[in-house]
Amino acid sequence: GAVVSQHPSRVICKSGTSVKIECRSLDFQATTMFWYRQFPKQSLMLMATSNEGSKATYEQGVEKDKFLINHASLTLSTLTVTSAHPEDSSFYICSASSRGGMNTEAFFGQGTRLTVV
Amino acid sequence: QQPVQSPQAVILREGEDAVINCSSSKALYSVHWYRQKHGEAPVFLMILLKGGEQKGHEKISASFNEKKQQSSLYLTASQLSYSGTYFCGTRNAGNNRKLIWGLGTSLAVNP
Repeated sequence: GAVVSQHPSRVICKSGTSVKIECRSLDFQATTMFWYRQFPKQSLMLMATSNEGSKATYEQGVEKDKFLINHASLTLSTLTVTSAHPEDSSFYICSASSRGGMNTEAFFGQGTRLTVV
Repeated sequence: QQPVQSPQAVILREGEDAVINCSSSKALYSVHWYRQKHGEAPVFLMILLKGGEQKGHEKISASFNEKKQQSSLYLTASQLSYSGTYFCGTRNAGNNRKLIWGLGTSLAVNP
């Protein structure tokens, strides 16, 4: 299957700093990437949908100025958590879809465990 | 609309069977099943697209009812490796390939 690489897998940062998370599709072109946040023992919460070359579409309640998403190429999307606070600590996961239609599977990155201290 | 998964949690002994359900109040375009182990990303199991469809993957299979409002995941002769949280993700027509996730079913298989 297709491979999506997410980096870093773990990051600890100080409150007030920014953190960038990368999501790369290694062997296919990802026209759409999705960014999720997951709290312990809970489901995946979609934060935003990122389409290559255009602005991300954020879900209701997600601050676009705090969670900056860039999808500059067909193989790379980045999520930057700006001015991070302890409440931003979470597991962040990206997934990518190829040019295929609605019946294609979503390929997930390995996830990033963010801890803000 | 978020699909409803049931049960919330299941505890099995190795070799036992389990069924996990995923329901929606509206007809769905597709249902996706994933398994997630603690601290890891979800792993794809299968997609169902057609009403009445059944699919199998080793001892894990799934069905999609005729009305396309319910899917069931069948785990037979469970193995220790089946432990994890199972999520169904559903797509509705016109939602830009966005998957709506159920809350998950936690499955623990004990020796």
